[in-house]
Amino acid sequence: GENVEQHPSTLSVQEGDSAVIKCTYSDSASNYFPWYKQELGKRPQLIIDIRSNVGEKKDQRIAVTLNKTAKHFSLHITETQPEDSAVYFCAASISGYSTLTFGKGTMLLVSP
Amino acid sequence: NAGVMQNPRHLVRRRGQEARLRCSPVKGHSHVYWYRQLPEEGLKFMVYLQKENIIDESGMPKERFSAEFPKEGPSILRIQQVVRGDSAAYFCASSPPGTEEQFFGPGTRLTVL
Repeated sequence: GENVEQHPSTLSVQEGDSAVIKCTYSDSASNYFPWYKQELGKRPQLIIDIRSNVGEKKDQRIAVTLNKTAKHFSLHITETQPEDSAVYFCAASISGYSTLTFGKGTMLLVSP
Repeated sequence: NAGVMQNPRHLVRRRGQEARLRCSPVKGHSHVYWYRQLPEEGLKFMVYLQKENIIDESGMPKERFSAEFPKEGPSILRIQQVVRGDSAAYFCASSPPGTEEQFFGPGTRLTVL
C-alpha cells in the first residue's frame, strides 16, 4: 500500500519568514495530494491540494509543488503569521479510489 | 466542510463497554470515511463507505470494530468491548461523488478508563 513520509516533524520560524514542509510517497499511481491544517483540538481543514497533471499551485501565501518523477511534494508558506501555527498534514490518494494516506504531521510554530 | 457533524464530541467508556460514534456527512455527500488519530500522530484510515455499502475496510481491525452507513440516518462506527488502546480521536470525513476532496468533522474523542 501507499506510504507517505513527512519532514520535518517540528518547525519553528519567526513571523515573516517562509516555511517549507516536504513529503514523499511510495505509490507511483497516486495522483491527488491534499494538505490539511489542524489546530489544537480542532478538525483537519483542507488548505490546498494538487493533482498530478500540474507541477505547482498557489493560493495567496500558500503554494504546493509536485515532482512526480521523484515522488515528492512540498508545502510552502510565505510571510508566516502567528495564526499559521498548527499541525500540517500531507496526504496522497489515487483518483477514483479516494482513501487518503497521511503523513505523520509537522508542527509549525510561528513566533512573533 | 463545517457541515460534517459528529456526535458525541467526547465519549468516556469503561473497558468492556461499547462505544458508538455517529457521523452525519455534508448534505449531498454520499461517501463517508472514518479515520483514527492517536495523540501526536497522523490520521490512519479505517473504513470507506457509501450508502448501504462498505467499499474498503482494510484499515479497520477485524474484531470488535464495525461500521455502517444506512440509507437513512448517520454513519455509525461501533467499537465493542473497548480496551484502553482504543482511546483516540475518531474523525469522519465526507466527499461528494466524483471528487477526491474530503471534508472532516470535528471528531469524537474516546477515552477508555
